Amino acid sequence: QSVLTQPPSVSAAPGQKVTISCSGSRSNIGINFVSWYQHLPGTAPKVLIYENDKRPSGLPDRFSGSKSGTSATLVITGLQAGDEGDYYCGVWDNSLSVQFVFGGGTKLTVL
Amino acid sequence: QVQLQESGPGLVKPSETLSLTCTVSGGSISSTFDYWSWIRQPAGKGLEWIGRIHNDGSSTYNPSLARRLTMSVDRSRNQISLNLSSVTAADTAVYYCARDSYYDSWSGYYGLDVWGQGTTVTVSS
Repeated sequence: QSVLTQPPSVSAAPGQKVTISCSGSRSNIGINFVSWYQHLPGTAPKVLIYENDKRPSGLPDRFSGSKSGTSATLVITGLQAGDEGDYYCGVWDNSLSVQFVFGGGTKLTVL
Repeated sequence: QVQLQESGPGLVKPSETLSLTCTVSGGSISSTFDYWSWIRQPAGKGLEWIGRIHNDGSSTYNPSLARRLTMSVDRSRNQISLNLSSVTAADTAVYYCARDSYYDSWSGYYGLDVWGQGTTVTVSS
């Protein structure tokens, strides 16, 4: 059971938009940067968003992130078949023991 | 371009110690603003952060694993190591190493920005 809550799955048709939420608390999202990771089948995870809303160099602007209070959101527009996979939010948690935590992951299906 | 490669035995017996190495190429493990993390993923489950270490030896571990966990750095070989003792079937997973990177004198945070391909470890007799 993760301290970060994500929907188990989302789906949409090619070209459409999906939103993936990540709900945390004051000890993690409330005070630290959120990052988002894409994990496609058979590949290593890859960072999509860092510092809540920044994209690594070369990443298409179809991917965007935001944070408000103790929640964060990943938005993917112009969905492509190659986007199908798992998406995770991640953040440092400063509760009793400092540690990095991942959300439970969201399976994106492109219909 | 920094690349990471995990290596180690694919099969470990219950109660024994799991030992993995992550070799860093294309860059130095001694970069001031880089930590080196381990993450694992059991089959059908999500990512679990194991811990991280800096080249100065300072480390932070997942509290649920800390009692069994040791990480170390070998700067001469540009390698990070993970040792997890007293393993059980619950430790069966794909294990990844990743760079955990900061910038602007620690005020900026790139997150886990470079990952290895992962190595599968099965705990079984």
